Amino acid sequence: GAVVSQHPSRVICKSGTSVKIECRSLDFQATTMFWYRQFPKQSLMLMATSNEGSKATYEQGVEKDKFLINHASLTLSTLTVTSAHPEDSSFYICSASGQRGGQETQYFGPGTRLLVL
Amino acid sequence: AQSVTQLGSHVSVSEGALVLLRCNYSSSVPPYLFWYVQYPNQGLQLLLKYTSAATLVKGINGFEAEFKKSETSFHLTKPSAHMSDAAEYFCAVSEAVEYGNKLVFGAGTILRVKS
Repeated sequence: GAVVSQHPSRVICKSGTSVKIECRSLDFQATTMFWYRQFPKQSLMLMATSNEGSKATYEQGVEKDKFLINHASLTLSTLTVTSAHPEDSSFYICSASGQRGGQETQYFGPGTRLLVL
Repeated sequence: AQSVTQLGSHVSVSEGALVLLRCNYSSSVPPYLFWYVQYPNQGLQLLLKYTSAATLVKGINGFEAEFKKSETSFHLTKPSAHMSDAAEYFCAVSEAVEYGNKLVFGAGTILRVKS
């Protein structure tokens, strides 16, 4: 079964609205979470890295005020796309890293497809 | 900076035939290399990884990959394709650390298996 979940799996919103995407590690504590974005027919591109209880570290070119990341607990990280615009339409994927079954491990969520009209 | 190039966005093989998915990387430091598989509506699943131990790495589902430093390659192979292998495959590179580290992905290769 799934080890990392994302909610919602897909969302359609109007331009100018904000959208929150949740990423949960279901049976382990994720000390580090990563957020990726994938445009059609392109690679997954890392947006930011967050450690529980700390501010996220954003990759170059990613606007931190537009893509708000919160990692308030060891099982939940959220990505909020603020004032979304059509160019933000993409597939957003999270990855959680931490100890599971006594071993360091990393799992990916199934992704969230965002369409901004 | 690190980068990954996957040659061929689509690969089609017959069931029972050899699977070869190509990956070349660029890295200024000794790389850690990964292959992931993604089935529709599911998260990326780790197939195998190279972490500077054996150059021939065996993974799940009968897949293996060989790290060739001289060719900067990490191609994925499977001797005999099965219908259930149809999926999208991603090659990725990171610096030194196995987990909890940034991954740089290739564009992905969609594998189609014909009956």
